[in-house]
Amino acid sequence: GQNIDQPTEMTATEGAIVQINCTYQTSGFNGLFWYQQHAGEAPTFLSYNVLDGLEEKGRFSSFLSRSKGYSYLLLKELQMKDSASYLCATHSGGYQKVTFGTGTKLQVIP
Amino acid sequence: ETGVTQTPRHLVMGMTNKKSLKCEQHLGHNAMYWYKQSAKKPLELMFVYSLEERVENNSVPSRFSPECPNSSHLFLHLHTLQPEDSALYLCASSQDLAGGGRTSTDTQYFGPGTRLTVL
Repeated sequence: GQNIDQPTEMTATEGAIVQINCTYQTSGFNGLFWYQQHAGEAPTFLSYNVLDGLEEKGRFSSFLSRSKGYSYLLLKELQMKDSASYLCATHSGGYQKVTFGTGTKLQVIP
Repeated sequence: ETGVTQTPRHLVMGMTNKKSLKCEQHLGHNAMYWYKQSAKKPLELMFVYSLEERVENNSVPSRFSPECPNSSHLFLHLHTLQPEDSALYLCASSQDLAGGGRTSTDTQYFGPGTRLTVL
């Protein structure tokens, strides 16, 4: 089965750092996606982790621990435009089987 | 046009109407998907097509009928819907269905969605 947990909402201050956690229990796990979704818009790809460890991409970094079923998305130097929902999604199975979490709504305040 | 496009962007229909949602991808991808996104619920995968063949149908009611005439186009035909079917319907595409690969082939690119309201 598939089970993904992430916080529903978070608030952080402009210029700060925020970490959004995601835990999962996924059979046939291949890797983990993070997507960003602004209100009323489509999800856009941020990262995909297959191996354990931290992958950095500009202000955004994503971490994966396969043994712990745990990932986080780290956002540095927060900007107001980072206010959005962040979706954690696991990739499993022999073909493209992607299961999404409910998303974490991040609000960046001045 | 680039990326994944969807039409219409907004749709209001009665329970007895028949309508269709259209998705087109301009990325040269081989796989296409329909998702349903309801408020406070995770994205729900509805259908997956690879090279115009359906490879996944996640127990979706028959009032939703997908069609994939070619690898660039995907339709979702709707008939006798219920008010609880009101949601954002998102189309996505990926390069292929190769599992366990890296980002370049497995990443799904989403269209802007169709906001559907069933009265």
